[in-house]
Amino acid sequence: DAKTTQPNSMESNEEEPVHLPCNHSTISGTDYIHWYRQLPSQGPEYVIHGLTSNVNNRMASLAIAEDRKSSTLILHRATLRDAAVYYCILSGGSSNTGKLIFGQGTTLQVKP
Amino acid sequence: DAGVTQSPTHLIKTRGQQVTLRCSPISGHKSVSWYQQVLGQGPQFIFQYYEKEERGRGNFPDRFSARQFPNYSSELNVNALLLGDSALYLCASSSGGLSYYGYTFGSGTRLTVV
Repeated sequence: DAKTTQPNSMESNEEEPVHLPCNHSTISGTDYIHWYRQLPSQGPEYVIHGLTSNVNNRMASLAIAEDRKSSTLILHRATLRDAAVYYCILSGGSSNTGKLIFGQGTTLQVKP
Repeated sequence: DAGVTQSPTHLIKTRGQQVTLRCSPISGHKSVSWYQQVLGQGPQFIFQYYEKEERGRGNFPDRFSARQFPNYSSELNVNALLLGDSALYLCASSSGGLSYYGYTFGSGTRLTVV
């Protein structure tokens, strides 16, 4: 299973953009890049996912490098409610199941 | 619409006992996955079911088993509980069973083994 590498923690100021990086140098051609976040005492929440092209939704944007070895989750204006653990996950590969392999994630702190 | 519902929300069991956890997926979702989350770590994949068939199994002992019913709800069973089984058990549902689908997670069942 391909691995992802994320910083353990990041800080941001409220109402500023946040760029959360993820390295996945061993990604295969069939791996999708997923981002989930988890607030305290809750289950993970789907944020966004993509394969090759950049993706946008109401929550965030996903920028995928041309070689797909890294990606960046962009929160356009951080709010206090965005403070959570953010997981970058590769899903798919040769088995092409929906198995999500979570790492340690990045703990995002948002300061007022 | 109701999200993914899990029951019970909290559970305390004694070592050696058996436990059954239940999950109802979002209406129309045919895939259910189970994850174990130990305190301070990310969730670990246990099982995935799609259309009532097992699609994937994580690195967990045979004490862990699951099934999916015709209405797509699912149960996770754990036999011969160990202290190390204490964790948050999460259920996730998706409309499809493949990697390009997003998953919706429930709030989990907190299992404490004493």
